[in-house]
Amino acid sequence: RKEVEQDPGPFNVPEGATVAFNCTYSNSASQSFFWYRQDCRKEPKLLMSVYSSGNEDGRFTAQLNRASQYISLLIRDSKLSDSATYLCVVNRRSNDYKLSFGAGTTVTVRA
Amino acid sequence: DVKVTQSSRYLVKRTGEKVFLECVQDMDHENMFWYRQDPGLGLRLIYFSYDVKMKEKGDIPEGYSVSREKKERFSLILESASTNQTSMYLCASSFPTSGTSTDTQYFGPGTRLTVL
Repeated sequence: RKEVEQDPGPFNVPEGATVAFNCTYSNSASQSFFWYRQDCRKEPKLLMSVYSSGNEDGRFTAQLNRASQYISLLIRDSKLSDSATYLCVVNRRSNDYKLSFGAGTTVTVRA
Repeated sequence: DVKVTQSSRYLVKRTGEKVFLECVQDMDHENMFWYRQDPGLGLRLIYFSYDVKMKEKGDIPEGYSVSREKKERFSLILESASTNQTSMYLCASSFPTSGTSTDTQYFGPGTRLTVL
């Protein structure tokens, strides 16, 4: 079983739509959670950390459900520039700097 | 801004060749990582280093070795390249973990290696 599983998509949405997707993680010892964004042929970059109480960053909202071991990302008012692959990332245990990456969910926003 | 650079964006090598991939970061990070990224598999950790001359195997170290002689530089070595090592190789760096948080990893632009 993969440590982090994501629906690969693609999610094709029109501009202005809301899109949401989840990932699940298998290691209950994971303590740190992130969403990274990867544009086509580019390196991954941190989009946002995910906190236990849920958090927002502009049009992006992340939620964590520890009991069910899943993380979600919601994008409101989608822009063309949101087209990318979103990687779900968790650390392997508390205070561990090693991360486990999901294979990514591809989002395509069309005009 | 953190900057992580990799020596080549594209590399083509022949089976059996020794291949060196170089990574340099300019933010005085202790931790450095080498990953490979393949479609459908996500990023997989090959090796990481938490200090100069210190290294640990990641999830898929077979066929690879690393060198960290200076803090800012982390090299990945393919001792004898094989076709199944054709992949995108990504280097990353981060500060050491502080408290219960895991610090952001900053990635280089990647090297797309093709082994013929």
